[in-house]
Amino acid sequence: EAAVTQSPRNKVAVTGGKVTLSCNQTNNHNNMYWYRQDTGHGLRLIHYSYGAGSTEKGDIPDGYKASRPSQENFSLILELATPSQTSVYFCASGGRDKNYAEQFFGPGTRLTVL
Amino acid sequence: AQKVTQTQTSISVMEKTTVTMDCVYETRDSSYFLFWYKQTASGEIVFLIRQDSYKKENATEGHYSLNFQKPKSSIGLIITATQIEDSAVYFCAMSRTGNTGKLIFGLGTTLQVQP
Repeated sequence: EAAVTQSPRNKVAVTGGKVTLSCNQTNNHNNMYWYRQDTGHGLRLIHYSYGAGSTEKGDIPDGYKASRPSQENFSLILELATPSQTSVYFCASGGRDKNYAEQFFGPGTRLTVL
Repeated sequence: AQKVTQTQTSISVMEKTTVTMDCVYETRDSSYFLFWYKQTASGEIVFLIRQDSYKKENATEGHYSLNFQKPKSSIGLIITATQIEDSAVYFCAMSRTGNTGKLIFGLGTTLQVQP
């Protein structure tokens, strides 16, 4: 019944490898977001989307790409993973349009880049 | 620039008591939204409660309520009758300028409820 799901939940990748994190939401929200959470930095916005086909850069987009092929799905892509991208990644959805609204989070993906 | 500050790094309280967590924010917007989230030990982030800046009444949701003091740019979270399961990290957040739906988060306050 979870409205925002993420896969995988845990991932170990090698430096230089490609990583794709997936997010699916059943809230029918237009907006979706990708964050990373690191100790001392809180939640930082990487990319976001206003709807299918749209992606926008957040506060820390370098080294990441995003894809929104449908209303329900939003992916985060690390083309060349680096150890500095080891973190916990959260996807969220929120809002029927660009108006302010609370966001609902997925369970997170723990990514380790060796 | 917009900013959200949670000055309390951690708080410890006894079960069944009331706790208040502080949050101050900076914004030049005339209309904005404020939120509180809870992150459990498993890492799950849960939306708790929201305050619309144009509303004078403090929002309430179950045993959560807010102390909204707009002139002080302050939005405190009050938890009454705390339970062990309220132990978690609590984040304050604010809507960003530009009507984009994006939020800016504080760094969080860790609450430990003792039996």
